[in-house]
Amino acid sequence: AQSVAQPEDQVNVAEGNPLTVKCTYSVSGNPYLFWYVQYPNRGLQFLLKYITGDNLVKGSYGFEAEFNKSQTSFHLKKPSALVSDSALYFCAVSGLTGGGNKLTFGTGTQLKVEL
Amino acid sequence: EPEVTQTPSHQVTQMGQEVILRCVPISNHLYFYWYRQILGQKVEFLVSFYNNEISEKSEIFDDQFSVERPDGSNFTLKIRSTKLEDSAMYFCASSAQGLWGNTEAFFGQGTRLTVV
Repeated sequence: AQSVAQPEDQVNVAEGNPLTVKCTYSVSGNPYLFWYVQYPNRGLQFLLKYITGDNLVKGSYGFEAEFNKSQTSFHLKKPSALVSDSALYFCAVSGLTGGGNKLTFGTGTQLKVEL
Repeated sequence: EPEVTQTPSHQVTQMGQEVILRCVPISNHLYFYWYRQILGQKVEFLVSFYNNEISEKSEIFDDQFSVERPDGSNFTLKIRSTKLEDSAMYFCASSAQGLWGNTEAFFGQGTRLTVV
């Protein structure tokens, strides 16, 4: 079975400071990792993905994520946070072996960026 | 930019009634999904659909749930006899390929189902 852990319910950061939202995963075989963002009363918007290749993945709105196989982590990062980045962030995993064609989401991390 | 659209945005129904949630996936996508998010909880997989049949379903997706692609563009989720615990936000998603390919799932805005 595949699973995702997001250890922080909420992350607070000042605008202009770097941000990190943590994610660890468990899956049989090679993981396919995704980050989605959810704004209030909105659907899930795709941010970025890791399928294969470079461990540092760049995505929308200046976000990036680093895949670390030894630590089974896929932390989301941004060098300089904006107030408009405040939203709910979900890490998700899919795996060909055992997980099938479905996303398993973490519990989400509420990011709050303050002036 | 192509997007997944869902109707209605909000549906209120009485317990025991049937409800149909509708979705129009992105037109050239081949894989379709339903997920749900109970208020304050995480997003949970319900079912995936490919080539006009269910390819995978979760234990949540019991006999009261069904999916259909009736006309080549719409993708529907039917709940036959709603229960209070079915109250949730239901998300439709589609992807061009299976998620093990170099692709991602695109989600609709969701339908908030309230069972009273």
